[in-house]
Amino acid sequence: QVQLQESGPGLVKPSQTLSLTCTVSGDSISSSSDYWAWIRQPAGKGLEWIGQVYSSGNANYNPSLETRVAISVDTAKNQFTLQLNSVTAADTAVYYCARDKYDYVGGSPYNWVDPWGPGTLVTVSS
Amino acid sequence: DIQMTQSPSSLSASVGDRVTITCRASQTIHNYLNWYQQKPGKAPKLLIYGVSRLQRGVPSRFSGSGSGTDFTLTISRLQPEDFATYHCQQTYRIPSFGQGTRLQIK
Repeated sequence: QVQLQESGPGLVKPSQTLSLTCTVSGDSISSSSDYWAWIRQPAGKGLEWIGQVYSSGNANYNPSLETRVAISVDTAKNQFTLQLNSVTAADTAVYYCARDKYDYVGGSPYNWVDPWGPGTLVTVSS
Repeated sequence: DIQMTQSPSSLSASVGDRVTITCRASQTIHNYLNWYQQKPGKAPKLLIYGVSRLQRGVPSRFSGSGSGTDFTLTISRLQPEDFATYHCQQTYRIPSFGQGTRLQIK
């Protein structure tokens, strides 16, 4: 059973860099055919897909955050990391890491997010 | 980018009711539509992928339908554990989610 766990500072100052790590257990990132994603949710609001990374290090980002975000992978530690720079109060949210799964079902390609980590609240404040 | 709009934003219903939540995409997303359930303080949980395919372990009272730009999630015979927030997600382009529909007990 695949499980994910976010870790990192819960408080970041404005203009600084938010850095979170996701540790994966029950699956090996290096041998997985899936991507690994970060998604966030401001309090009382909807979900926002931030980006994803493959075991090769290839990453894709939401264009709305592309200039400030980097997602990297450490296959030796079975972890992947989110870095978001120049943060403001608008970046305050619960951040989730998750598996971005791709599969063929009945001959058709599908993509969905499962499982998710429990989430970690990051507050941007001085 | 593709905008996803859910309606209603919230609704109240009773145990045993049949409920339908709608999700509309700003352009066609073919069948790249997923549904998630989220309970307070918890991460979302996958219910349905590919419009109508139930994730393993999800009760059969949940069903999805639609195509192109308009999709629905139906819960027949609401159970107490179904009161939660539901999110749709498109994965045709850069993934995006609807704003969520909060299902409350009447």
